[in-house]
Amino acid sequence: EDQVTQSPEALRLQEGESSSLNCSYTVSGLRGLFWYRQDPGKGPEFLFTLYSAGEEKEKERLKATLTKKESFLHITAPKPEDSATYLCAVQAPSGNTPLVFGKGTRLSVIA
Amino acid sequence: NAGVTQTPKFRVLKTGQSMTLLCAQDMNHEYMYWYRQDPGMGLRLIHYSVGEGTTAKGEVPDGYNVSRLKKQNFLLGLESAAPSQTSVYFCASSRQGNEQFFGPGTRLTVL
Repeated sequence: EDQVTQSPEALRLQEGESSSLNCSYTVSGLRGLFWYRQDPGKGPEFLFTLYSAGEEKEKERLKATLTKKESFLHITAPKPEDSATYLCAVQAPSGNTPLVFGKGTRLSVIA
Repeated sequence: NAGVTQTPKFRVLKTGQSMTLLCAQDMNHEYMYWYRQDPGMGLRLIHYSVGEGTTAKGEVPDGYNVSRLKKQNFLLGLESAAPSQTSVYFCASSRQGNEQFFGPGTRLTVL
């Protein structure tokens, strides 16, 4: 069974304090790994897709990386507006397989 | 483009009542999905559709039915609501079954 585990469950950072969120996965082959941001009371917002080990994607203060067993979302010099829940999802390669989501990491950035 | 929209935004039902949630997308996406999100459980897939006229069961389909009569709409029905169906429901759509774009959610309370 495909599984996605995100750690930590919650992370509290001071503004400017860089850190990383982890997403480890077990899937037979990987069609894609996806990162989303979710603000309270809103739907998840798509951030990145990673397809192969070694791939990196960047957007503002966020950088996502991928290995064969896990992905990291690096947050450089975070600001309070980066506070949100970050979700990771994976997709197996066969057919129309839906995404499998992790439970998310709740990030709080304190000014 | 409005993206993915959901109707209604909030609803309160009594046990045993029925209702239909409507999801609409204007991006001409083939794939559409219904999720529920509960504290500590993450996003769980209820049903999905890979094209007009098709539906398939997800992880937690019991107590729900869906229909995709038009490509742009995906309806989620609760025939006899139960308190266990109190949740936030999200609809999503995808062009090729990979990156998904989410609606704003419907908050449902069943008393």
